[in-house]
Amino acid sequence: DGGITQSPKYLFRKEGQNVTLSCEQNLNHDAMYWYRQDPGQGLRLIYYSQIVNDFQKGDIAEGYSVSREKKESFPLTVTSAQKNPTAFYLCASSPGDSNQPQHFGDGTRLSIL
Amino acid sequence: AQTVTQSQPEMSVQEAETVTLSCTYDTSESDYYLFWYKQPPSRQMILVIRQEAYKQQNATENRFSVNFQKAAKSFSLKISDSQLGDAAMYFCAYRRSNFGNEKLTFGTGTRLTIIP
Repeated sequence: DGGITQSPKYLFRKEGQNVTLSCEQNLNHDAMYWYRQDPGQGLRLIYYSQIVNDFQKGDIAEGYSVSREKKESFPLTVTSAQKNPTAFYLCASSPGDSNQPQHFGDGTRLSIL
Repeated sequence: AQTVTQSQPEMSVQEAETVTLSCTYDTSESDYYLFWYKQPPSRQMILVIRQEAYKQQNATENRFSVNFQKAAKSFSLKISDSQLGDAAMYFCAYRRSNFGNEKLTFGTGTRLTIIP
């Protein structure tokens, strides 16, 4: 079945450590997105990529980095510069040339040890 | 910048009754899409319904329907015959154009509780 796979489901980070969240899709979608979800704040856009080898900052990009070397993959690195990384992270994808909605993965919960 | 406002942090409804969730948005665009997503306790984001701004007819999907008022920039979700499985967070979202690779702007959500 086609879909979006995020791993791991739970992730723990020590202070000063970088961690990378994985997002893979087999839907052949051009665009991919990373959102952060905090209680009472809905989903906020971190980064998005409309095509391979290109990406743009979202509303809260500071302390995060991404790459888009393959169409299927859009990993998110939470760097030590992100001072409050504890949150639920959602990856999404959408076709680039249609009016279809975004599809979401099941999310990764990141916590600080 | 576009903004989406959901003014009801929490709502509750008796099972089998009808409930309406509110959403307003701000944009200067004329072409855009609006969405309602459901997030149950599993935290998976599930598309409930969508509305194209150029369509005057309100979208419906089984027990879910919207009241789209373009001039008022209002996009409410009506759930009829509420069921226990409808309990979830509901997010209203805006997309600037009718191209699939545009980013979404979300509201802060409404937590819906179904009372048996």
